[in-house]
Amino acid sequence: GENVEQHPSTLSVQEGDSAVIKCTYSDSASNYFPWYKQELGKRPQLIIDIRSNVGEKKDQRIAVTLNKTAKHFSLHITETQPEDSAVYFCAPYGQNFVFGPGTRLSVLP
Amino acid sequence: DTAVSQTPKYLVTQMGNDKSIKCEQNLGHDTMYWYKQDSKKFLKIMFSYNNKELIINETVPNRFSPKSPDKAHLNLHINSLELGDSAVYFCASGQGDYGYTFGSGTRLTVV
Repeated sequence: GENVEQHPSTLSVQEGDSAVIKCTYSDSASNYFPWYKQELGKRPQLIIDIRSNVGEKKDQRIAVTLNKTAKHFSLHITETQPEDSAVYFCAPYGQNFVFGPGTRLSVLP
Repeated sequence: DTAVSQTPKYLVTQMGNDKSIKCEQNLGHDTMYWYKQDSKKFLKIMFSYNNKELIINETVPNRFSPKSPDKAHLNLHINSLELGDSAVYFCASGQGDYGYTFGSGTRLTVV
């Protein structure tokens, strides 16, 4: 069956530091790798994604890296700000619409 | 113009009642989904509809039934509500291997 894991489950960083969240998956046929951000009381929203033909993609302070051989991809946030505090989910496509269990990021002022 | 809209936003009801949640998308996406988010924030897939056909149904009790009158709508009907059904239910839509767009969620409380 589908197996999507995220590490860590919770992460606290000081404002201005970097944060990295890793997602591992089981289906080697997955070809699309998105990250979603869910702020408190809000809906999950797509923030960045990557396809299997590239290894890294960057959008301002956030980036996603992909290692298809090892079946994991990571979300990188640099120069963290308080508004980055949220729960982050990965959802590799092809895993029967399964989302990872989420990572709660807290950015401390 | 809201892309994925669901109603109601809040729903408080007694055990044993039957209720429905409506969802509509104006993005022209082929696939719509229902997810349940529990108190621990896990997002669990319940149903997915592609062009009015059910393409996945996880281990969801048959008290839950999706109804899709057309490609733009996927409603969720729940019979004989139980305390454990209390959660936030999200509707979403998508197109192939592209990201989902979620509705704002329906917080269901069963008392």
